[in-house]
Amino acid sequence: AQSVTQLGSHVSVSEGALVLLRCNYSSSVPPYLFWYVQYPNQGLQLLLKYTSAATLVKGINGFEAEFKKSETSFHLTKPSAHMSDAAEYFCAVRISGGSNYKLTFGKGTLLTVNP
Amino acid sequence: EADIYQTPRYLVIGTGKKITLECSQTMGHDKMYWYQQDPGMELHLIHYSYGVNSTEKGDLSSESTVSRIRTEHFPLTLESARPSHTSQYLCASSPSGANYGYTFGSGTRLTVV
Repeated sequence: AQSVTQLGSHVSVSEGALVLLRCNYSSSVPPYLFWYVQYPNQGLQLLLKYTSAATLVKGINGFEAEFKKSETSFHLTKPSAHMSDAAEYFCAVRISGGSNYKLTFGKGTLLTVNP
Repeated sequence: EADIYQTPRYLVIGTGKKITLECSQTMGHDKMYWYQQDPGMELHLIHYSYGVNSTEKGDLSSESTVSRIRTEHFPLTLESARPSHTSQYLCASSPSGANYGYTFGSGTRLTVV
């Protein structure tokens, strides 16, 4: 079975500081991995995805994530936080084979950005 | 523009009323999903569909029901709303292919009083 664990339910950074949101996955087969962002009272928006091509994936709004198989990790980073980055972030995994199209989501990490 | 639409965005309704939350997508996606999410909390899959006339219950037991008569339409119905149904309901869709993510609607925030 596939699963993801997001370390830290709440991360707080200062504006201009590095953002690091952690995600570890568990999957018996090569996974597809996703990061989503959710602003208050909105649905989820896809930030980026890993689908077995380049291990360093660049997404929207200056975010990127690196797939590290040896560490079973897919951490999300941004070099310099902006106030508008304050939101809930979800990591998700799907196995790459079979007929299971369901994404398994982590519990989310709330990012707050302090001025 | 291809998108996924949920209506209403906000709904306040009395206990015992029947409600239907609408979800429509214009992308021709086969797969559609309903999630329940309390504020600031994780997402719980309550229903999904892999195509017309195909519906399945998700990981979280729900008193709601769904139907999929048309590819683009995946409504969720509560026959008798209760305060415990107060939550945000998110609809999503995806094409076939495991390397695709979901496209989410903006959600319906339901309050049952």
